[in-house]
Amino acid sequence: DAGVIQSPRHEVTEMGQEVTLRCKPISGHDYLFWYRQTMMRGLELLIYFNNNVPIDDSGMPEDRFSAKMPNASFSTLKIQPSEPRDSAVYFCASSLGVPTEAFFGQGTRLTVV
Amino acid sequence: EDQVTQSPEALRLQEGESSSLNCSYTVSGLRGLFWYRQDPGKGPEFLFTLYSAGEEKEKERLKATLTKKESFLHITAPKPEDSATYLCAVQARSSNTGKLIFGQGTTLQVKP
Repeated sequence: DAGVIQSPRHEVTEMGQEVTLRCKPISGHDYLFWYRQTMMRGLELLIYFNNNVPIDDSGMPEDRFSAKMPNASFSTLKIQPSEPRDSAVYFCASSLGVPTEAFFGQGTRLTVV
Repeated sequence: EDQVTQSPEALRLQEGESSSLNCSYTVSGLRGLFWYRQDPGKGPEFLFTLYSAGEEKEKERLKATLTKKESFLHITAPKPEDSATYLCAVQARSSNTGKLIFGQGTTLQVKP
């Protein structure tokens, strides 16, 4: 398996624009996680899914953020409208049940100017 | 509140100089403690999972240990390629979820 695949790797957008980040988890994994990493706050869990169903979205900062998982092999994280404070590296991870290790993608570095 | 604290924030070693990284945690029932390595510009890479106090895991020059309050990542005779940020994370039993709570990490630099 190629591991968790995220796209794009880098995204630069203007404030107010919609941003969509994409993730393909490892085949067979039933948990999918979206994390955000910043220097100030480290790695923070935004939302996670189990069998395509959102389980815990308490980490989603505000209504501008939304996530979907339409099927077992694809998930999106959308920010609309984007703001400069959303600039961070966004990671997607997947795991085979809990408690087992989560495997991370390479991340999407988002810059909002 | 569940919390993870790692120390030191940064560590510089000479090649071959062994040391330890600390991960202190406060959690309402530990389901698992995880160590990850993160290289610049990359996602965290899984190293170890520890489930109960007294457990130890080894991989090459790395050895992870666990007590009821903390975990140590021991690095024996490190090499420059061991330079990275090491992240510790816990999963709480009470939350009944897969949520990982991460520490801020220890950035290790090994000089030749």
